[in-house]
Amino acid sequence: DIVMTQSPATLSVSPGERATLFCRASQSVTGYLTWYQQKPGQAPRLLLYGVSTRATDIPARFSGSGSGTEFTLTISSLQSEDFAVYYCQQYNSWPLTFGGGTRVELK
Amino acid sequence: QVQLVESGGDAIQPGGSLRLSCAASGFALSDFGMHWVRQGPGKGLEWVAFNRYDGTSANYAESVKGRFTIYRDNSQNTLYLEVDSLTVDDTGVYFCAKDLSPRNGLSWLGFGGPGTLVTVSS
Repeated sequence: DIVMTQSPATLSVSPGERATLFCRASQSVTGYLTWYQQKPGQAPRLLLYGVSTRATDIPARFSGSGSGTEFTLTISSLQSEDFAVYYCQQYNSWPLTFGGGTRVELK
Repeated sequence: QVQLVESGGDAIQPGGSLRLSCAASGFALSDFGMHWVRQGPGKGLEWVAFNRYDGTSANYAESVKGRFTIYRDNSQNTLYLEVDSLTVDDTGVYFCAKDLSPRNGLSWLGFGGPGTLVTVSS
């Protein structure tokens, strides 16, 4: 199985600041990498797929980059509604696997 | 508007069985592969199972293989997950999700509902 490792586990950020989240795969997933946002008591919300393609209605402040085994999610200017847990997921091969998540909290 | 509504979760003893349901609306289930994903209390997301759009094939996580069965009734626009021989490690919220890529399950996922809670405890 491909192991997805996210860092940091928790990121403390002030509103308006830039947040950078990392996701590493134990082997190459080429460009088959997606990101989700999850708030307490809610289902995950799709943010990006194919590393950098924003899903419907996702604001432009969310961007993704990377390839192979190293990926980054950047939130350019954090808004109050962005405080949540973020997960990466690979869909290069079975089984689908998720990272352990990064919690973005208010500094 | 696309909606997925999960149900069937319950508190149950180890070794028990449940049938989870996912009622889809706003789209034809027969057009999409579907997944189940679970989340243990305070934990991350774990992919559980995938069912092809026509129900002719399925994939499972090793942790549930032989105990869980994913199937669908496209005429009722409903996806199911039969969960048997439950253990405490199966405790969590179970979400259903749409398969959004053309790669037959190797995909990013579209979630839509709040999930259904399964609690396995003696």
